[in-house]
Order: sequence, then structure tokens, then C-alpha cells
Amino acid sequence: GAVVSQHPSRVICKSGTSVKIECRSLDFQATTMFWYRQFPKKSLMLMATSNEGSKATYEQGVEKDKFLINHASLTLSTLTVTSAHPEDSSFYICSATWREGYEQYFGPGTRLTVT
Amino acid sequence: SQKIEQNSEALNIQEGKTATLTCNYTNYSPAYLQWYRQDPGRGPVFLLLIRENEKEKRKERLKVTFDTTLKQSLFHITASQPADSATYLCALTGGGSYIPTFGRGTSLIVHP
Repeated sequence: GAVVSQHPSRVICKSGTSVKIECRSLDFQATTMFWYRQFPKKSLMLMATSNEGSKATYEQGVEKDKFLINHASLTLSTLTVTSAHPEDSSFYICSATWREGYEQYFGPGTRLTVT
Repeated sequence: SQKIEQNSEALNIQEGKTATLTCNYTNYSPAYLQWYRQDPGRGPVFLLLIRENEKEKRKERLKVTFDTTLKQSLFHITASQPADSATYLCALTGGGSYIPTFGRGTSLIVHP
């Protein structure tokens, strides 16, 4: 099956610092990658959609200067949380697909805690 | 925009019984409907995809039905096991967008 890795799985950082999260599709080339945020016992909240080589499309209410997304290749996307604050603490999950509109393959998620 | 309703209350069933989860949508008929499993602290795992012109899809102990008249999908797990305990999400794609819309998920608890 399609495998997506995400690194790191957990990160604790101080307020004001930046954190980078990597998402890789290990055994397929992803036409599209998605970044989600999930609060406890809540559904997935789509933050942005990215295609290789083009700028990410952000959902309404998501600050693109705060959540920088770089889709460097067909197998790698990164999310950088800049100048992190405690309210950015959350569970961030990426997903990838090679067929638009079809199933997504999710990474294991990254738990970010900003102190 | 598409709205998806999944039962927010947890479904508790006894081991060996069939679990049935419901996904209702309110707007356009989706081109594709997908079911995912999510365990606590983990990313969702894709289970099944069904197209709008398909009535039913099976995979091992899993069965998904899709009724575009009722605007509903049912997700069945037969011979349920405690290891099936998780949150199950449905997702719909269609209406001119390839970006899936996810439901909030239903928690399934299978008691031994």
C-alpha cells in the first residue's frame, strides 16, 4: 500500500521559534499533498493544498505567512510554522494522493506543543 | 457547500456483531465517497472508496453501500473485534472539486 511518512512525530518548541514538519510519500509520486490540523475529538481541518512546483492554496482563515508550505518535489512537502505561539499547539497531519479526488494516504501526524 | 453528518455519539457493540455506521450528506451527490479509520494520536488510514454509480463495495469484513437517493452511505463491519475499535471518518469528493470534505467521524467501541 501507499506509505506516507511525517517527521518529526512530536516536537516541543518555545514561543517565537519556527518549526518545520516534513511529509514524504515513500513509494509513490504525489500529484497533490494536503495539510490538516486536528484538535482533540474534532474533525480534520484542511489548512492548505499543494501541488509540486506551484504555490499552495490556503483555506480561508489560514495565514499563509504563518504556515509556510513548500512542495519541493513529487514526494516531499514541508510545513513551517513560523513564530509559533501556544495557540498553534495542535496535531498536524499531511496526506498525499496521486489521483485527484480519490483516496488520500495520510502521514502518522506531528504533535506540536509550543511552550 | 457540502455538509456531512456522522453520528457524533459513540457506537458500542458486542464482539462478533455487525457494526453499522452512517454517513449522510446534504448537498450535491459526490462523485466518490471514502471511508477512513483513525486511531487516537494517528493519521487516518484509507479503507474503501465507492463511486456514485456503485451501490456496494466489499473488502474482507468491510462493506460500504452508497444510496444517492437517500444521500447516505452505510459502512458495515461484520464479525466485529475489539481491534476494530476506532473512529471512522467518511469523506466525499465532487461538485467540481477534487478536494475531499471529511465528516467528524463516529467512534466505534467493540466490547469483548
